[in-house]
Amino acid sequence: EAQVTQNPRYLITVTGKKLTVTCSQNMNHEYMSWYRQDPGLGLRQIYYSMNVEVTDKGDVPEGYKVSRKEKRNFPLILESPSPNQTSLYFCASSLWNGGNTEAFFGQGTRLTVV
Amino acid sequence: AQSVTQLDSQVPVFEEAPVELRCNYSSSVSVYLFWYVQYPNQGLQLLLKYLSGSTLVKGINGFEAEFNKSQTSFHLRKPSVHISDTAEYFCAVSRGAGGTSYGKLTFGQGTILTVHP
Repeated sequence: EAQVTQNPRYLITVTGKKLTVTCSQNMNHEYMSWYRQDPGLGLRQIYYSMNVEVTDKGDVPEGYKVSRKEKRNFPLILESPSPNQTSLYFCASSLWNGGNTEAFFGQGTRLTVV
Repeated sequence: AQSVTQLDSQVPVFEEAPVELRCNYSSSVSVYLFWYVQYPNQGLQLLLKYLSGSTLVKGINGFEAEFNKSQTSFHLRKPSVHISDTAEYFCAVSRGAGGTSYGKLTFGQGTILTVHP
């Protein structure tokens, strides 16, 4: 079954404690990205990757890091989480075809930073 | 830069009534247009997309949308809604090929559709 898998689904952490949210896709997609969803703001792109070892900032990259060492995996790293990073996070992947293909989303990770 | 505005944050409607969710976009270049649906506690899934050609596009679950270039709109419609259509709906645009950041989805703020019995 084609899917994007995120882990964990729920996470509560304390300010400053490094964490990683994993994302894996089994569709051999080139393009992967991370979004955060906040009420009234929709989804905003944090980082994206066009292929292995190719990553770039989205609209709200501050406080986040990513890596793309393998095509299927695209982890999101919060080196020193702060309460303003409390949000719902989604990983997405799609074929790289100039932006006209469907994006497949993971189930989401609800992060709370206290 | 491109932007998307969903004109209604919440739309309540009775079952079997028609519904329209409004979306306007702004972009200086050609775009691709999408509607995604998010059911409670789930990720987003594609309802329909407009790439080119016929301005009326049909999607899953009986939804359709009409691209209006002159009004820069892409409103979503369904002639008769069901309780199961209760969800949050997102309009999104992706910049066409030929510039930087193409492939990136820019989302609207979302519209919560609540269908009442």
